Amino acid sequence: QSVLTQPPSVSGAPGQRVTISCTGSSSNIGAGYDVHWYQQLPGIAPKLLIYGNSNRPSGVPDRFSGSKSGTSASLAITGLQAEDEADYYCQSYDSSLSVVFGGGTKLTVL
Amino acid sequence: QVQLVESGGGLVKPGGSLRLSCAASGFTFSDYYMSWIRQAPGMGLEWVSYISSSGSTIYYADSVKGRFTISRDNAKNSLSLQMNSLRAEDTAVYYCAREWLRFNYWGQGTLVTVSS
Repeated sequence: QSVLTQPPSVSGAPGQRVTISCTGSSSNIGAGYDVHWYQQLPGIAPKLLIYGNSNRPSGVPDRFSGSKSGTSASLAITGLQAEDEADYYCQSYDSSLSVVFGGGTKLTVL
Repeated sequence: QVQLVESGGGLVKPGGSLRLSCAASGFTFSDYYMSWIRQAPGMGLEWVSYISSSGSTIYYADSVKGRFTISRDNAKNSLSLQMNSLRAEDTAVYYCAREWLRFNYWGQGTLVTVSS
């Protein structure tokens, strides 16, 4: 059971918009700690996609965006492309001095 | 460019030990916190441990506390994870990653399999 809760799967057709939620608690996201998002393609290490709730590292398309409110955060992907099919993880920090991850969401492009 | 290369994974029996290493290059290693993160087969990411730049501050996940020891050698740009009393549930790909609050650089991972 992950500290941060994500839907196991989401799907969308090419060109559509999808969102992935990440729900935490008052000891992590709700305590003001930043949320970061990672994309993991099959068989390779995760890649930082969004940092500090809504910032994109250099090279990440602006089709990817993040937001945070209260004890939750969301990742939105617009203009869905086949290459976006991957696992997505949210991550934050907890007042127990531990790093916490969501359980991951598998995105399927129909 | 930043490179993190893990090594030391393999097959080990339950109760056994293994030492993982991570060779860092392309940045000033001694300036950064470092972390270990693992991923069991078909499962999600699980943070394992992090260590401060000087090595003076260390934290572990409850699942490995008392069994795993993280350490670093800043002179050799190297991060290590000593894993003792290994259990089947420790089977995973182990990644080293730069920093501790967010992970913008990851190694390719090394597979640890605990099985009799």
